[in-house]
Amino acid sequence: AQRVTQPEKLLSVFKGAPVELKCNYSYSGSPELFWYVQYSRQRLQLLLRHISRESIKGFTADLNKGETSFHLKKPFAQEEDSAMYYCALGGGGADGLTFGKGTHLIIQP
Amino acid sequence: EAGVTQSPTHLIKTRGQQATLRCSPISGHTSVYWYQQALGLGLQFLLWYDEGEERNRGNFPPRFSGRQFPNYSSELNVNALELEDSALYLCASSLRDYLTDTQYFGPGTRLTVL
Repeated sequence: AQRVTQPEKLLSVFKGAPVELKCNYSYSGSPELFWYVQYSRQRLQLLLRHISRESIKGFTADLNKGETSFHLKKPFAQEEDSAMYYCALGGGGADGLTFGKGTHLIIQP
Repeated sequence: EAGVTQSPTHLIKTRGQQATLRCSPISGHTSVYWYQQALGLGLQFLLWYDEGEERNRGNFPPRFSGRQFPNYSSELNVNALELEDSALYLCASSLRDYLTDTQYFGPGTRLTVL
């Protein structure tokens, strides 16, 4: 069965500090992994997908198949990064996306 | 380009009634997904429609059903509403190309069952 674990419900860091939001997954096939972000009063929006290996808003995420992880990182946090972050696992669409419970990131000034 | 739209924004029903939620995908997208975001349970996959057919469903009872229309819009029907059906229902659409299956989400419909 597919599973996504985000161990931190809440993560609070100071502005300018590095950020790492953890995501571990369980999947027997070839995974497609995504990070979605939800800013206050906005819809869920795609932040990153592993297949494109891009950096969005300074965030990066590397798929580590050995550790079954897809942690989200940013070297210097900004106040506008405060939001809910969800890691999601796809398997080609057959089962929809499996989401983690989310991490609420708070960037303190 | 317009994103995924959902209606209504809020819906209040009583136990035992039926609810109908609607979703319009991004133009050109043929796949529509429905998710339930209930308090404490996170986002859970409900249904997937592609080219007018139900392709898969999550671990939900049959009273959760829906359909996809020829213009790719979709509706979700929840029959015999129960209190625990109160949740935010999200719709997502995707263009199922061979590279990825990125889903784009709508703002959701908040269903409250009294």
